[in-house]
This record gives sequence, C-alpha cells and structure tokens, in this order.
Amino acid sequence: DSGVTQTPKHLITATGQRVTLRCSPRSGDLSVYWYQQSLDQGLQFLIQYYNGEERAKGNILERFSAQQFPDLHSELNLSSLELGDSALYFCASSVDPSGFNEKLFFGSGTQLSVL
Amino acid sequence: QKEVEQDPGPLSVPEGAIVSLNCTYSNSAFQYFMWYRQYSRKGPELLMYTYSSGNKEDGRFTAQVDKSSKYISLFIRDSQPSDSATYLCAMSVTNTGNQFYFGTGTSLTVIP
Repeated sequence: DSGVTQTPKHLITATGQRVTLRCSPRSGDLSVYWYQQSLDQGLQFLIQYYNGEERAKGNILERFSAQQFPDLHSELNLSSLELGDSALYFCASSVDPSGFNEKLFFGSGTQLSVL
Repeated sequence: QKEVEQDPGPLSVPEGAIVSLNCTYSNSAFQYFMWYRQYSRKGPELLMYTYSSGNKEDGRFTAQVDKSSKYISLFIRDSQPSDSATYLCAMSVTNTGNQFYFGTGTSLTVIP
C-alpha cells in the first residue's frame, strides 16, 4: 500500500457530463501530481500542486481543472466529457519536489469510462 | 516520434527465466532513469532508479543504461510468478516528477 488514496475506484458516466476525482496524499507529502494513463499514450502528466499552489502543468485539457485544499487532498475535475477521456487517472504524491531524487508514490487510480 | 519507446509485449516466460525489458529514447539530455512495476488494478511503484550511465543491481533486478545508444534495460533473474506485472520505464532531465516521461509499459507474465 503506497499510502495514497484515490476515490472512486471506478466511474461510469455519459458524454457531456462532469466528474470529480479525489486524492489524499501520503501523510506528510506536500506535492500532488495527476496523471492520465491510456493504452496508446502511456502515463501522461497532467498537473502538479505543491502545498495548495499549482506548481506545473502538463498535457491537461482546458476542460480539466484541479485544486489542492488546505488539508492537502486534491480533486481533479473533468467536464464536458468525451469518449476519448476514458482512461485510468492516477494521483501521486511526493515529499520533496526540490528536484533531488524525487520519488513518486502512486495511488491505485480511478478508472473512468465515458459512454 | 515519442520521447520514450517501449515494446508493449506481452512477454511470457517460464519461472526461473532471465527477463530482459528495454526502452529507447530520443532526448539525449535525459539523465535520470527509472523502472516502475505496475500490478493489475494498482498504481505504478518505483522499482529501480539510476542516474546517468552504468548498471545498478538490487537483488534479482539489474538496471542498465547506455546513453550512447539511448537505450535502457531492466534484467530480472530467476523470474517468479510474483514478477508478473506491467513494467514501465521513465526518464527525466531534471528528476522532478512533473518532467518524467513514461514508456507505455511491457506486460510480463511468468508461468509457474
């Protein structure tokens, strides 16, 4: 068990809808990352938060947004969903985002299916 | 061209075999190389971490980096059924998590 908790494990919804994915990082970790994993693209970095502030953006669509709350949990909001958004979404956390030997701890992911 | 290329497999080997997993990359600036193991319905977990070129060994696992060929490998000796998983390579220029480039993963099955 990595100590990173993601809910829900599975989400089935329809095109055009909006969903929220939740992540609780490991105790003491200040940095939260969101990744999208699909069969053809692999793991793609979406966005990173550090201690409540956005730190870096990757390949995140404008329809997607995220935030990190004072208790350090994070939410990823996906709106106007399309079939192509179906994927596994992972949250990861780390204690040291300084760039030295950073290790990511991943949650078990949320499987999103858009029908 | 993708930054990181990885053969998706699947790879199926008998228990006790030596397994070789590989990735190639295009960015010569990559300095940090990692291997993650991902079990079915789980998140990736860091298995091996290497900086720059050379070999690193940890038990039955050996990570090898050849920067001149832009090629990295993970060797698993005496493979066990519990090694059945998807193995992802990852690499980075600066070793910050928001700049990791992951391969698509190789699915490995070790048959008892």
